[in-house]
Amino acid sequence: DIQMTQSPSTLSASVGDRVTITCRASQTVSRWLAWYQQKPGKAPKLLISEASILESGVPSRFSGSGSGTEFTLTISSLQPDDFATYSCQQYNSFPYTFGQGTKLEIK
Amino acid sequence: QVQLQESGPGLVKASETLSLTCTVSGYTISSGYYWGWIRQPPGKGLEWIGNIYYSGSTYYNPSLKSRVIISVDTSKNQFSLKLSSVTAADTAVYYCARVHSSGYCDSWGQGTLVTVSS
Repeated sequence: DIQMTQSPSTLSASVGDRVTITCRASQTVSRWLAWYQQKPGKAPKLLISEASILESGVPSRFSGSGSGTEFTLTISSLQPDDFATYSCQQYNSFPYTFGQGTKLEIK
Repeated sequence: QVQLQESGPGLVKASETLSLTCTVSGYTISSGYYWGWIRQPPGKGLEWIGNIYYSGSTYYNPSLKSRVIISVDTSKNQFSLKLSSVTAADTAVYYCARVHSSGYCDSWGQGTLVTVSS
């Protein structure tokens, strides 16, 4: 199985900050990587697919980059609604696997 | 707009079979896409259980393969999950999702907590 490791596990930031979350794969996944946002008690919401393609309706302050084994999710200017847990998922090969999640907290 | 809704018992006894159904509305299952089950133990990350195409072809996570069956009922626009011989380690929120052909989930059900009791 491909192991996905996110860093940091927890991130404290303020409204207006620029933040970056990293996702590393234990072997190459090309660009077959998605990012999800999850709020407490809710289902994950797709933000980005294929490493950098923004899902329709997702604010442009979200962006993704990377390929191979290293990927980043960047939020350019944090808004109050962005405080949530973010997870990456590789879909290069079965079984598809997720990162453990990064909790974005208000500082 | 597609909507998915999980249903099934919230409490299952150890060694028994967990059964969940996902009802899809706003989209016809047989029109395409794959349909998947993903779970999340309390306080932990997401785990892919498996997925099915409307034709019935399936993929199961090898870690669960011996205990999992996913099936589809196109006449009811539903797909289902059966997980046998459950233990406390199977306690989790179970999500159904629509899976793009490349492998990411673009729509999710709200999730249902299944607790395995001893």
